[in-house]
Amino acid sequence: SQTIHQWPATLVQPVGSPLSLECTVEGTSNPNLYWYRQAAGRGLQLLFYSVGIGQISSEVPQNLSASRPQDRQFILSSKKLLLSDSGFYLCAWSLGAENEKLFFGSGTQLSVL
Amino acid sequence: TQLLEQSPQFLSIQEGENLTVYCNSSSVFSSLQWYRQEPGEGPVLLVTVVTGGEVKKLKRLTFQFGDARKDSSLHITAAQPGDTGLYLCAGDISGGYNKLIFGAGTRLAVHP
Repeated sequence: SQTIHQWPATLVQPVGSPLSLECTVEGTSNPNLYWYRQAAGRGLQLLFYSVGIGQISSEVPQNLSASRPQDRQFILSSKKLLLSDSGFYLCAWSLGAENEKLFFGSGTQLSVL
Repeated sequence: TQLLEQSPQFLSIQEGENLTVYCNSSSVFSSLQWYRQEPGEGPVLLVTVVTGGEVKKLKRLTFQFGDARKDSSLHITAAQPGDTGLYLCAGDISGGYNKLIFGAGTRLAVHP
């Protein structure tokens, strides 16, 4: 069966520090991978979307970047965090075909202080 | 910009009541998905509706896709405290490549 791992679960970082969040998927090949951010109690904002290794689509201009060094690994990074980067970050995968559902990780709560 | 608007934003009801939440857009979607999210966790899919006018039932939950495939509703009959959570609708904006955008959600609280 397929599983998705996302870590860490909680992170507190000072403004200006770097960020690296990692997500890995097991049990499937060539998945679509996604990074979403969720403000407190709100909906999900799509940040990045990848259909294959090295293929990253950025959905909103921001202080963050994403990379996909391996088929089932998706990394969210920042060189210098801003206060506005705080939020709940969710990684997800799907089979990529039309109408396929997303499978979400358990999320990372990032607080930038 | 294709947006999905959900209403109401918040809903607080007593156990046993019925409720309906809505997901509306000016855009046509090939499908809409409904997810439920618990605090501190990722959303989990409840249902996908694909055909205009389609109705799907999941125990006490009834999902409907509008005839024009621009809107959807979720009706819960005899709500239970276990139904408490954030309900999110999502639509594919990539023409079939499964790039989903989400509505802001309806936060439901069902009190015993």
